[in-house]
Amino acid sequence: QVQLVESGGGVVQPGKSLRLSCVASGFTFSDYAMHWVRQAPGKGLEWVAFLSYDGSAEYYPHSMNGRFTISRDNSKNTLHLQMNGLRPEDTAIYYCARDVLQYTDGPTAGCFEYWGQGTLVTVSS
Amino acid sequence: DIAMTQSPSSLSASVGDRVTITCRASQNINNHLNWYQQKPGKAPKLLIRVATNLQSGVPSRFSGSGFGTTFTLTISTLQPEDFAYYYCQQTYGKPLNFGGGTNLEIK
Repeated sequence: QVQLVESGGGVVQPGKSLRLSCVASGFTFSDYAMHWVRQAPGKGLEWVAFLSYDGSAEYYPHSMNGRFTISRDNSKNTLHLQMNGLRPEDTAIYYCARDVLQYTDGPTAGCFEYWGQGTLVTVSS
Repeated sequence: DIAMTQSPSSLSASVGDRVTITCRASQNINNHLNWYQQKPGKAPKLLIRVATNLQSGVPSRFSGSGFGTTFTLTISTLQPEDFAYYYCQQTYGKPLNFGGGTNLEIK
């Protein structure tokens, strides 16, 4: 069965960096686009980043202000999110999610079919 | 950006009730509308994609309808396990915005 397991969360000071990972299993990882989604405590869902199945196309909402970078290693079935210049408002549970579409190079028209359990990032001094 | 507005933000209902949650997009999104369910402490779960398609394994008491700017999620006969948060999401344009959520509570 499809499994997505995130790691790398923790407590970090404002301005610092953190790298999240998501290990996938139960499907051919290199066939699917992937996303990161976050949820601040007690708040709703916010899309953070998209990466195409082959890593050739990435998209972010403007609100991420160029501080986040999504990447993948298809040989290791692993997705990453590099977060730089962290702010208190980045405090959230970060989920990785698999798109329903195979071989897509854009984030639109799909949906988030499978989700990991999430990893908590707390930005605080 | 396409704004997604869900209503109501909170809803109290009883087991056996029929409930409807509405999601409105700020512009036409065709049928690129998905619905997710989230229970406390858990990751969201996909219920319905492209407005009307029930995800595999989701009970048939859930249904979705709509096209363009107005969409609905209906639960025909509420079960105890249905009390949760529900979110709509548009995937017509970037950024892939979610609605603010609906908290479905037990009356």
